[in-house]
Amino acid sequence: GQQLNQSPQSMFIQEGEDVSMNCTSSSIFNTWLWYKQDPGEGPVLLIALYKAGELTSNGRLTAQFGITRKDSFLNISASIPSDVGIYFCAGQLTGANSKLTFGKGITLSVRP
Amino acid sequence: DAGVTQSPTHLIKTRGQQVTLRCSPKSGHDTVSWYQQALGQGPQFIFQYYEEEERQRGNFPDRFSGHQFPNYSSELNVNALLLGDSALYLCASSLVFQGRDNEQFFGPGTRLTVL
Repeated sequence: GQQLNQSPQSMFIQEGEDVSMNCTSSSIFNTWLWYKQDPGEGPVLLIALYKAGELTSNGRLTAQFGITRKDSFLNISASIPSDVGIYFCAGQLTGANSKLTFGKGITLSVRP
Repeated sequence: DAGVTQSPTHLIKTRGQQVTLRCSPKSGHDTVSWYQQALGQGPQFIFQYYEEEERQRGNFPDRFSGHQFPNYSSELNVNALLLGDSALYLCASSLVFQGRDNEQFFGPGTRLTVL
């Protein structure tokens, strides 16, 4: 099935650093979402974006919906150890078609 | 406020067997979606249920079937299990309200191992 493009597969940063993650698609989506998944758990919604160009923050997290509607990025500022996990982007079309299409995820490691 | 719950947590089956996984949506939610997450991959959409009917289906064979009950809980059934069906099966619930059914909340998943 289709997946969004997330790279690199893994990222290693120092505690306190900022990190940015990008997600791209060959298809347009009307909604972009960012999820975080910890081991043994399901993905948890971090940020949802509903409008092209929209910039939304949730604490230390900031995400943007690309103006082409084919990409999104997530920025984490001043990283802390609990930011460790797998970050997934997901795209969604609204209306009757509301399935989520996910990327492969980026595993983030934070060195203390 | 109870979140999405799934049972069982883990399951081991052998090839050819059948399995049923269960999901209770978040309180107040009426739509249930099922996803398959293979190791190292993102979740893949299987199907979605609303008002006890399959609303949309992903690219999965007919061996995968589901059901939604009047209380909005749902089951995922997989027949004739293959080794490749080994994965984490995630249930997500959402609320269809004024068309904004975008925010799906996930359960912890059921880890299925097929031997």
